[in-house]
Amino acid sequence: GAVVSQHPSWVICKSGTSVKIECRSLDFQATTMFWYRQFPKQSLMLMATSNEGSKATYEQGVEKDKFLINHASLTLSTLTVTSAHPEDSSFYICSARDGPPILLAGGNQPQHFGDGTRLSIL
Amino acid sequence: RKEVEQDPGPFNVPEGATVAFNCTYSNSASQSFFWYRQDCRKEPKLLMSVYSSGNEDGRFTAQLNRASQYISLLIRDSKLSDSATYLCVVSGGSNYKLTFGKGTLLTVNP
Repeated sequence: GAVVSQHPSWVICKSGTSVKIECRSLDFQATTMFWYRQFPKQSLMLMATSNEGSKATYEQGVEKDKFLINHASLTLSTLTVTSAHPEDSSFYICSARDGPPILLAGGNQPQHFGDGTRLSIL
Repeated sequence: RKEVEQDPGPFNVPEGATVAFNCTYSNSASQSFFWYRQDCRKEPKLLMSVYSSGNEDGRFTAQLNRASQYISLLIRDSKLSDSATYLCVVSGGSNYKLTFGKGTLLTVNP
C-alpha cells in the first residue's frame, strides 16, 4: 500500500535552532501534502497544506515565516521550524493523498500519514 | 462548538466486549468521513472510511447519519490489540482537508 516516510523521527535541539523535517511519498506521487501538529492528549491540528510547485496554504494562527514549507517535487515536502523555541516542542506529522486529483475523484481518498517527528526544544 | 466532537472516554472494556464510539460534526457541508486509530506516540492509521449506507469490515461497523451529523463506530468481540485511541475524522472544503476529533482512548483488558 501507499507509504509515506518522514524523517527524522526524533529531534532534540537547543532553543534558537532551525529544524527541517522531510516528508516523502515512496510509491506514489503526491501533489498535495499536509502538515499537522499534535500536542499531548490533543487532536491533530492541520498547520498547512503543501502544494507541489506553489506556495503552501497556512491555517489561521500558524505563522508562515516560522514554519517554512517547500514542496519542490511530487514526492517530497519539507517543513522547517525556524528559530525553534520550547513552545514549538510537539509531534509533527505529515500526510499525503494517494489517487487522482481531487477535482476528478472527489475527496474520499484517505490520507496516508508519515511516522511523525517528535520535536523537543530545550 | 468544536468541529468534530467525540466521546471523551477513556473506555475500559474486557476482551470480547462490544464497544461503541460516537462522534458529531458541525459542518453540514462535510463530504467524507473516516475512523482512524492511533497507537501511543505513533501516527494515525486509517481504520475505515464511513459511508451513508453504513459499512462493515470484520468486527468493525461504521454508520453515518448526515441529517444528524453523527458518525459511529462499533467494535464487536474486542481484542487486546484493539487498544488504541480512535479518531473521528471529517473531510471537506475546497482542499478536502481533514479535521480530527480529539480521540477516544480504548483499553481492552484480559
